[in-house]
Amino acid sequence: TQLLEQSPQFLSIQEGENLTVYCNSSSVFSSLQWYRQEPGEGPVLLVTVVTGGEVKKLKRLTFQFGDARKDSSLHITAAQPGDTGLYLCAGDYNFNKFYFGSGTKLNVKP
Amino acid sequence: DTGVSQDPRHKITKRGQNVTFRCDPISEHNRLYWYRQTLGQGPEFLTYFQNEAQLEKSRLLSDRFSAERPKGSFSTLEIQRTEQGDSAMYLCASRGPWDTQYFGPGTRLTVL
Repeated sequence: TQLLEQSPQFLSIQEGENLTVYCNSSSVFSSLQWYRQEPGEGPVLLVTVVTGGEVKKLKRLTFQFGDARKDSSLHITAAQPGDTGLYLCAGDYNFNKFYFGSGTKLNVKP
Repeated sequence: DTGVSQDPRHKITKRGQNVTFRCDPISEHNRLYWYRQTLGQGPEFLTYFQNEAQLEKSRLLSDRFSAERPKGSFSTLEIQRTEQGDSAMYLCASRGPWDTQYFGPGTRLTVL
Protein backbone atom coordinates (compact mmCIF):
# COMPACT_ATOMS: atom_id res chain seq x y z
CA THR A 1 0.00 0.00 0.00
CA GLN A 2 1.40 3.37 -1.07
CA LEU A 3 0.64 6.12 1.43
CA LEU A 4 2.18 8.75 -0.80
CA GLU A 5 0.69 9.75 -4.12
CA GLN A 6 2.97 10.95 -6.85
CA SER A 7 1.86 12.64 -10.04
CA PRO A 8 2.15 12.38 -12.89
CA GLN A 9 3.06 8.70 -13.20
CA PHE A 10 4.69 9.23 -16.59
CA LEU A 11 6.12 12.30 -18.24
CA SER A 12 7.71 12.53 -21.68
CA ILE A 13 9.08 15.91 -22.70
CA GLN A 14 11.54 17.52 -25.08
CA GLU A 15 14.98 18.66 -24.02
CA GLY A 16 14.84 22.22 -22.74
CA GLU A 17 11.31 22.07 -21.33
CA ASN A 18 10.46 22.64 -17.67
CA LEU A 19 8.50 20.18 -15.55
CA THR A 20 7.10 19.71 -12.07
CA VAL A 21 6.31 16.48 -10.24
CA TYR A 22 4.23 16.29 -7.10
CA CYS A 23 4.15 14.20 -3.96
CA ASN A 24 1.08 14.31 -1.68
CA SER A 25 -0.12 12.67 1.50
CA SER A 26 -2.91 13.15 3.99
CA SER A 27 -0.43 12.78 6.85
CA VAL A 28 2.29 15.08 8.14
CA PHE A 29 5.87 14.11 7.37
CA SER A 30 8.73 14.34 9.84
CA SER A 31 11.00 14.58 6.82
CA LEU A 32 10.80 13.90 3.11
CA GLN A 33 13.37 12.77 0.61
CA TRP A 34 13.53 12.81 -3.18
CA TYR A 35 15.44 10.14 -5.07
CA ARG A 36 16.28 9.43 -8.68
CA GLN A 37 16.57 5.82 -9.81
CA GLU A 38 17.87 4.35 -13.02
CA PRO A 39 16.88 0.86 -14.24
CA GLY A 40 18.62 -1.94 -12.34
CA GLU A 41 20.13 0.41 -9.77
CA GLY A 42 19.26 1.56 -6.27
CA PRO A 43 17.68 4.98 -5.68
CA VAL A 44 20.15 7.86 -5.39
CA LEU A 45 19.34 10.54 -2.84
CA LEU A 46 18.78 14.02 -4.28
CA VAL A 47 17.59 16.01 -1.27
CA THR A 48 16.13 15.81 2.25
CA VAL A 49 13.66 18.43 3.45
CA VAL A 50 12.52 18.73 7.05
CA THR A 51 11.09 22.23 7.61
CA GLY A 52 7.64 23.29 6.39
CA GLY A 53 7.94 25.84 3.58
CA GLU A 54 11.54 24.88 2.89
CA VAL A 55 12.94 25.38 -0.61
CA LYS A 56 16.16 23.71 -1.72
CA LYS A 57 17.95 24.06 -5.03
CA LEU A 58 20.29 21.60 -6.63
CA LYS A 59 21.52 23.08 -9.92
CA ARG A 60 18.45 22.94 -12.20
CA LEU A 61 16.32 21.12 -9.63
CA THR A 62 14.16 23.01 -7.12
CA PHE A 63 12.49 21.18 -4.25
CA GLN A 64 9.68 22.62 -2.16
CA PHE A 65 8.22 21.27 1.06
CA GLY A 66 4.67 22.37 1.81
CA ASP A 67 4.01 24.62 4.79
CA ALA A 68 1.95 21.88 6.46
CA ARG A 69 4.61 19.24 5.64
CA LYS A 70 2.08 17.07 3.80
CA ASP A 71 3.23 17.66 0.25
CA SER A 72 6.28 18.39 -1.83
CA SER A 73 7.21 19.24 -5.38
CA LEU A 74 10.24 18.84 -7.61
CA HIS A 75 10.71 21.32 -10.43
CA ILE A 76 13.29 20.77 -13.16
CA THR A 77 14.29 23.69 -15.35
CA ALA A 78 15.53 23.14 -18.90
CA ALA A 79 15.40 19.35 -18.70
CA GLN A 80 18.20 17.37 -20.30
CA PRO A 81 18.29 13.73 -21.51
CA GLY A 82 20.50 12.94 -18.52
CA ASP A 83 17.56 13.78 -16.25
CA THR A 84 15.70 10.71 -17.56
CA GLY A 85 14.84 8.28 -14.77
CA LEU A 86 12.36 7.36 -12.08
CA TYR A 87 11.84 10.09 -9.48
CA LEU A 88 10.68 8.84 -6.09
CA CYS A 89 9.56 10.71 -3.02
CA ALA A 90 9.75 9.07 0.40
CA GLY A 91 8.16 10.39 3.57
CA ASP A 92 9.07 9.62 7.13
CA TYR A 93 6.12 10.00 9.52
CA ASN A 94 7.61 9.10 12.84
CA PHE A 95 11.39 9.10 12.53
CA ASN A 96 11.69 5.40 11.92
CA LYS A 97 10.88 4.23 8.39
CA PHE A 98 10.17 5.80 5.03
CA TYR A 99 7.11 5.24 2.87
CA PHE A 100 7.61 5.62 -0.86
CA GLY A 101 5.38 6.86 -3.62
CA SER A 102 5.14 4.79 -6.80
CA GLY A 103 7.32 7.27 -8.65
CA THR A 104 7.25 9.50 -11.71
CA LYS A 105 8.92 8.04 -14.77
CA LEU A 106 10.52 10.89 -16.71
CA ASN A 107 11.76 10.61 -20.27
CA VAL A 108 13.56 13.60 -21.76
CA LYS A 109 13.92 13.36 -25.52
CA PRO A 110 16.86 15.02 -27.26
CA ASP B 1 33.99 3.47 -1.71
CA THR B 2 32.23 4.12 1.60
CA GLY B 3 28.66 3.75 0.35
CA VAL B 4 26.18 0.94 0.96
CA SER B 5 27.12 -2.27 -0.81
CA GLN B 6 25.01 -5.34 -1.58
CA ASP B 7 25.94 -8.80 -2.72
CA PRO B 8 25.13 -10.43 -5.05
CA ARG B 9 23.84 -7.92 -7.59
CA HIS B 10 21.85 -10.56 -9.40
CA LYS B 11 20.51 -13.94 -8.33
CA ILE B 12 18.63 -16.47 -10.43
CA THR B 13 17.20 -19.43 -8.57
CA LYS B 14 14.65 -22.18 -9.00
CA ARG B 15 11.41 -22.20 -7.10
CA GLY B 16 11.79 -23.89 -3.74
CA GLN B 17 15.46 -23.01 -3.25
CA ASN B 18 16.78 -20.84 -0.42
CA VAL B 19 18.67 -17.62 -1.13
CA THR B 20 20.64 -15.22 1.08
CA PHE B 21 21.57 -11.63 0.37
CA ARG B 22 24.12 -9.49 2.16
CA CYS B 23 24.18 -5.76 2.85
CA ASP B 24 27.11 -3.73 4.17
CA PRO B 25 25.91 -0.31 5.35
CA ILE B 26 27.84 2.92 5.73
CA SER B 27 30.03 2.21 8.72
CA GLU B 28 28.87 4.98 11.05
CA HIS B 29 25.15 4.42 10.40
CA ASN B 30 23.36 2.50 13.12
CA ARG B 31 20.06 2.01 11.28
CA LEU B 32 19.74 -0.45 8.40
CA TYR B 33 16.66 -1.05 6.27
CA TRP B 34 15.51 -3.70 3.80
CA TYR B 35 13.02 -2.86 1.05
CA ARG B 36 11.52 -4.76 -1.86
CA GLN B 37 10.74 -3.14 -5.18
CA THR B 38 8.72 -4.66 -7.98
CA LEU B 39 8.50 -3.31 -11.51
CA GLY B 40 6.69 0.00 -11.77
CA GLN B 41 6.42 0.49 -8.02
CA GLY B 42 8.32 2.36 -5.37
CA PRO B 43 10.27 0.43 -2.72
CA GLU B 44 8.18 -1.23 0.00
CA PHE B 45 9.48 -1.47 3.54
CA LEU B 46 10.32 -4.96 4.80
CA THR B 47 12.22 -4.54 8.06
CA TYR B 48 14.74 -2.41 9.88
CA PHE B 49 17.46 -2.68 12.49
CA GLN B 50 18.89 -0.27 14.98
CA ASN B 51 22.31 -1.67 15.69
CA GLU B 52 21.71 -5.43 16.08
CA ALA B 53 18.08 -5.14 17.19
CA GLN B 54 15.34 -5.79 14.63
CA LEU B 55 12.80 -3.13 15.58
CA GLU B 56 10.06 -3.58 13.03
CA LYS B 57 8.91 -6.08 10.42
CA SER B 58 6.34 -5.48 7.72
CA ARG B 59 3.44 -7.84 7.18
CA LEU B 60 5.00 -8.34 3.73
CA LEU B 61 7.73 -10.29 5.48
CA SER B 62 6.25 -13.78 5.63
CA ASP B 63 7.73 -16.52 7.81
CA ARG B 64 9.83 -17.62 4.83
CA PHE B 65 11.82 -14.40 5.18
CA SER B 66 14.35 -13.78 7.93
CA ALA B 67 16.81 -10.98 8.44
CA GLU B 68 19.73 -10.68 10.80
CA ARG B 69 22.30 -8.11 11.79
CA PRO B 70 24.37 -10.08 14.28
CA LYS B 71 27.03 -7.54 15.21
CA GLY B 72 25.27 -4.36 14.29
CA SER B 73 27.29 -4.04 11.10
CA PHE B 74 26.40 -6.05 7.97
CA SER B 75 22.98 -7.64 7.54
CA THR B 76 21.66 -10.70 5.74
CA LEU B 77 18.21 -11.34 4.30
CA GLU B 78 17.30 -14.98 3.71
CA ILE B 79 14.32 -16.24 1.74
CA GLN B 80 13.45 -19.88 2.21
CA ARG B 81 11.49 -22.00 -0.29
CA THR B 82 11.42 -19.21 -2.85
CA GLU B 83 8.29 -18.62 -4.91
CA GLN B 84 7.93 -16.87 -8.26
CA GLY B 85 6.21 -14.00 -6.49
CA ASP B 86 9.43 -13.31 -4.61
CA SER B 87 11.03 -12.09 -7.83
CA ALA B 88 11.90 -8.44 -7.22
CA MET B 89 14.71 -6.02 -6.48
CA TYR B 90 15.79 -6.23 -2.84
CA LEU B 91 17.21 -2.95 -1.63
CA CYS B 92 19.20 -2.21 1.49
CA ALA B 93 19.59 1.27 2.93
CA SER B 94 21.38 2.76 5.90
CA ARG B 95 20.42 5.87 7.75
CA GLY B 96 22.67 8.45 9.27
CA PRO B 97 22.32 10.99 12.04
CA TRP B 98 20.64 13.69 9.91
CA ASP B 99 17.83 11.37 8.84
CA THR B 100 19.36 10.89 5.42
CA GLN B 101 18.89 7.43 3.99
CA TYR B 102 21.31 6.01 1.45
CA PHE B 103 20.59 2.99 -0.70
CA GLY B 104 22.78 0.24 -2.02
CA PRO B 105 22.64 -0.88 -5.66
CA GLY B 106 20.18 -3.67 -4.89
CA THR B 107 20.01 -7.40 -5.51
CA ARG B 108 17.81 -8.44 -8.42
CA LEU B 109 16.18 -11.82 -7.64
CA THR B 110 14.62 -13.93 -10.37
CA VAL B 111 12.78 -17.08 -9.32
CA LEU B 112 12.19 -19.51 -12.17
